[in-house]
Amino acid sequence: DQQVKQNSPSLSVQEGRISILNCDYTNSMFDYFLWYKKYPAEGPTFLISISSIKDKNEDGRFTVFLNKSAKHLSLHIVPSQPGDSAVYFCAAWDSGTYKYIFGTGTRLKVLA
Amino acid sequence: NAGVTQTPKFQVLKTGQSMTLQCAQDMNHNSMYWYRQDPGMGLRLIYYSASEGTTDKGEVPNGYNVSRLNKREFSLRLESAAPSQTSVYFCASSDLYRGMNTEAFFGQGTRLTVV
Repeated sequence: DQQVKQNSPSLSVQEGRISILNCDYTNSMFDYFLWYKKYPAEGPTFLISISSIKDKNEDGRFTVFLNKSAKHLSLHIVPSQPGDSAVYFCAAWDSGTYKYIFGTGTRLKVLA
Repeated sequence: NAGVTQTPKFQVLKTGQSMTLQCAQDMNHNSMYWYRQDPGMGLRLIYYSASEGTTDKGEVPNGYNVSRLNKREFSLRLESAAPSQTSVYFCASSDLYRGMNTEAFFGQGTRLTVV
């Protein structure tokens, strides 16, 4: 059973507009969440994270929002740039078993 | 620093052949992981090693074995390759610093094709 879900396989956004990527999780014990970006033929690279004690974390153009009651997090990219075109993975840290659980990814395409 | 290094980058195997994927990290991390990436399936955990001397199964361990050779190295072995193991394999490492969560660092991946 998928514990971390990204229900949108793909998303297209115009350059300069906001990109919103969504992620849902099922395990209320997860207390740390991460977003990774992956370009073709490269390994995933860490983008931003959020602890469950916060509801928002911001880093430049990237902001992650966490809604614990809904078991939902989202990544906002403002403004979107063509270089942001990549696959984005949401992940949760399972502190009980010391492992990261990843979603299926969302392919973002930013159109120039 | 190299970070996480995987070898080889590409490999073609015949069904039934065996091979070992190598992974080494130079960040003094305690934990290491092997994931596979398949279209529409995201990153699925095969095996992981929370600390030197321990290994545990992930979501999709069947057909694989691992060895945590030392703190730096974590290898993944396919004893008898099958076409279903055609995938891109990623090794990652991470650490818990003073009890705080941190991110995992990934290697560049190994693209494996089993024919």
